[in-house]
Amino acid sequence: DAGVIQSPRHEVTEMGQEVTLRCKPISGHDYLFWYRQTMMRGLELLIYFNNNVPIDDSGMPEDRFSAKMPNASFSTLKIQPSEPRDSAVYFCASRLAGQALNYGYTFGSGTRLTVV
Amino acid sequence: KQEVTQIPAALSVPEGENLVLNCSFTDSAIYNLQWFRQDPGKGLTSLLLIQSSQREQTSGRLNASLDKSSGRSTLYIAASQPGDSATYLCAVQGAQKLVFGQGTRLTINP
Repeated sequence: DAGVIQSPRHEVTEMGQEVTLRCKPISGHDYLFWYRQTMMRGLELLIYFNNNVPIDDSGMPEDRFSAKMPNASFSTLKIQPSEPRDSAVYFCASRLAGQALNYGYTFGSGTRLTVV
Repeated sequence: KQEVTQIPAALSVPEGENLVLNCSFTDSAIYNLQWFRQDPGKGLTSLLLIQSSQREQTSGRLNASLDKSSGRSTLYIAASQPGDSATYLCAVQGAQKLVFGQGTRLTINP
């Protein structure tokens, strides 16, 4: 298995531009999570999906952020318009529900976003 | 709200030493606890997962313990090597959500 695949690995954009981050979860995993990592706040959960349906988006910072999961093998996180304070590393993770909650998470390599 | 604290924030030791990283959490109603390793500029690598019914897990030179009632976990690294240098993150699994500590930045000096 190739693991959780994120693209791009690095993104540099100008303030005000739209940014789209992409994630392909592990095949068969039915939960998908988007996290953001900054020096100040560490790793924060933004949103998660179960069977392609958004379950909890309470961590999404504001309306400029949106996430979709059109099918079981693809998810996007979009920021429009982007701002310098959005600069962070964005991680996608997936998990198999299986036996209750006793399966661990697998994380992608992350997308390092810089907004100038 | 679950809060996870890791102490110390940074640790530097000479090669060969045994060391312990600490993790504490405020809500003992967890399903499992996971230790991750993160190298600079890289993603997270899962090291060990301890289910709520377990007290410890071992993988090679790593041993993680869990005391749910006191809200504590430790990661023991035996015979440390320079390649162990990284940030170690503790995360607890609640109802679907994985909550992370801020991590311990470990440096092993040759």
